[in-house]
Amino acid sequence: AQSVTQLDSQVPVFEEAPVELRCNYSSSVSVYLFWYVQYPNQGLQLLLKYLSGSTLVESINGFEAEFNKSQTSFHLRKPSVHISDTAEYFCAVKDTGGFKTIFGAGTRLFVKA
Amino acid sequence: DVKVTQSSRYLVKRTGEKVFLECVQDMDHENMFWYRQDPGLGLRLIYFSYDVKMKEKGDIPEGYSVSREKKERFSLILESASTNQTSMYLCASSPRGVYSPLHFGNGTRLTVT
Repeated sequence: AQSVTQLDSQVPVFEEAPVELRCNYSSSVSVYLFWYVQYPNQGLQLLLKYLSGSTLVESINGFEAEFNKSQTSFHLRKPSVHISDTAEYFCAVKDTGGFKTIFGAGTRLFVKA
Repeated sequence: DVKVTQSSRYLVKRTGEKVFLECVQDMDHENMFWYRQDPGLGLRLIYFSYDVKMKEKGDIPEGYSVSREKKERFSLILESASTNQTSMYLCASSPRGVYSPLHFGNGTRLTVT
């Protein structure tokens, strides 16, 4: 069965510092990979996705993630965070033949001034 | 923009009550999903539906049922609410393609006392 491991439950970081949120998945089949973000008191929103092609994908607000098939990882990075990036981030995987999206436990990013 | 609307933001029910959580989407999506979100566990799939009147069990269906009589509406039913069903419930929808990401509602926080 597929599973997603987010290695850090909480990540505190100062404003304008770089950040990496780690995600590893286990799957024996081809997958699609996603990062979702949940701001306080809201539902989840898609941040970025990897479907095929270039292994580096970017979001409109400066986040990027790199698909590494050999390490089964899809880590999320941002070179300089803002206070407004404070949220919970979820890594998710979906096999290319199925309906179900499997989520990790989430990582809470706290950006401090 | 896709809009997924959950009928209640907060709900308080008593043990043993029958509880209905309603979800409506306005983008003609074929697929609809119910997840529950608990701290440290991420999102877990309860049920999903890929067409009207069709339903499939997710990973934690026990104690729940669903109804999809119209394409835009997907209801989650707790037949006899229990305290261990206190949680945040998230509804999501997606179009038919397997590569499609999920669009989430803002969630219903259910407390069972």
